[in-house]
Amino acid sequence: EVQLLESGGGLIQPGGSLRLSCAASGFTFSSYAMSWVRQAPGKGLEWVSAVKSSGGSTYYADSVKGRFTISRDNSKNTLYLQMNSLRAEDTAVYYCAKRGTTGTTKEVFDYWGQGTLVTVSS
Amino acid sequence: DIQMTQSPSTLSASVGDRVTITCRASQSISSWLAWYQQKPGKAPKLLIYAASTLESGVPSRFSGSGSGTEFTLTISSLQPDDFATYYCQQYSSYSYTFGQGTKLEIK
Repeated sequence: EVQLLESGGGLIQPGGSLRLSCAASGFTFSSYAMSWVRQAPGKGLEWVSAVKSSGGSTYYADSVKGRFTISRDNSKNTLYLQMNSLRAEDTAVYYCAKRGTTGTTKEVFDYWGQGTLVTVSS
Repeated sequence: DIQMTQSPSTLSASVGDRVTITCRASQSISSWLAWYQQKPGKAPKLLIYAASTLESGVPSRFSGSGSGTEFTLTISSLQPDDFATYYCQQYSSYSYTFGQGTKLEIK
């Protein structure tokens, strides 16, 4: 059974830093691209960042480019999101999501974690 | 970036109704379109990918159609479990974009 378990959320002051983790199990983690998707309270879904299976290529939404860094440790089956220079508008539930098989029509988010809440406030 | 626009934003319907949600892309995305269902406090669930392919385990009352810039999600006969928020998402480029969501409410 595929499981994705996020951790690391919490209350942080504006300008602060936080690192989220996503522990994966139930599939061959090193074979799949992964993403972070966030959802501000009462709002819709916003894709944040993605990393290819090897970790060699990363992608970011314009809203977080230069402030957030996605990475992965395939030996630990873990995905990370380093968030720096946090702003009030970064307040959201952050989900990690597994992407489907590369090179198929199923390059979508087929499994999601339960999410971790990040609140940026003084 | 590709913009995704869903309509309506809110839809009121009754159990047994047939409902359709529309999603428009700001440029052609071929069939790189997915639909998700989200219930309050829960993570989104994949329903449909490649515009019309039903994810394993999803009831056949859900169907998707369209290509290019116009897409639809249809629920043929609403069940109580279907009242939720639905999102479309394009995945033709790495800047994945979601629609703003359609909240399906009980009439």
